[in-house]
Amino acid sequence: RKEVEQDPGPFNVPEGATVAFNCTYSNSASQSFFWYRQDCRKEPKLLMSVYSSGNEDGRFTAQLNRASQYISLLIRDSKLSDSATYLCVVKAAGNKLTFGGGTRVLVKP
Amino acid sequence: GAVVSQHPSRVICKSGTSVKIECRSLDFQATTMFWYRQFPKKSLMLMATSNEGSKATYEQGVEKDKFLINHASLTLSTLTVTSAHPEDSSFYICSARDQEGLPYEQYFGPGTRLTVT
Repeated sequence: RKEVEQDPGPFNVPEGATVAFNCTYSNSASQSFFWYRQDCRKEPKLLMSVYSSGNEDGRFTAQLNRASQYISLLIRDSKLSDSATYLCVVKAAGNKLTFGGGTRVLVKP
Repeated sequence: GAVVSQHPSRVICKSGTSVKIECRSLDFQATTMFWYRQFPKKSLMLMATSNEGSKATYEQGVEKDKFLINHASLTLSTLTVTSAHPEDSSFYICSARDQEGLPYEQYFGPGTRLTVT
């Protein structure tokens, strides 16, 4: 079983719609959780950290469910520029980050 | 925000040659840098953790004699792919942790695309 698993997609989303997807992690000792965004042939960039109580940053909402060991990302009012691969990232003890395979989102007009 | 550079951004080399990739933290000091590899449509896989002034820590399955890492200063780490083969063709990305920043924050370089012919 992979440490961090994501639905690869693609999620085809009409512009203006809402899209949500999850990520599951296997290590119950994981301490920190993040969503990164990666555009084609570019480096990943931090989108947002995920806090235990859930958090929102503009149109993006992240949730953490420790009991079921998953995190989620919801994008409201999707823009064409939201098209990217969204990487779920988990950190256990130490500085090592473990990346999921990514979920590809395609926002279409 | 913190900036990490990589050089070169793209390199094409012949099989059997060695290629050196540099990773620099431009506006902060990084005691720890990380080297990742990403194959097409795959996730980033951590290859090794580079520690300033000491030996790198390699992930399981990564050959330390093939992927030489040197972290000689607080702002520079290098990855040398020795005797490169076509299967080493990949996107190599480094990240750096600001020693003054939050423990989980890593800043990624723009990546180096290696093609071995």
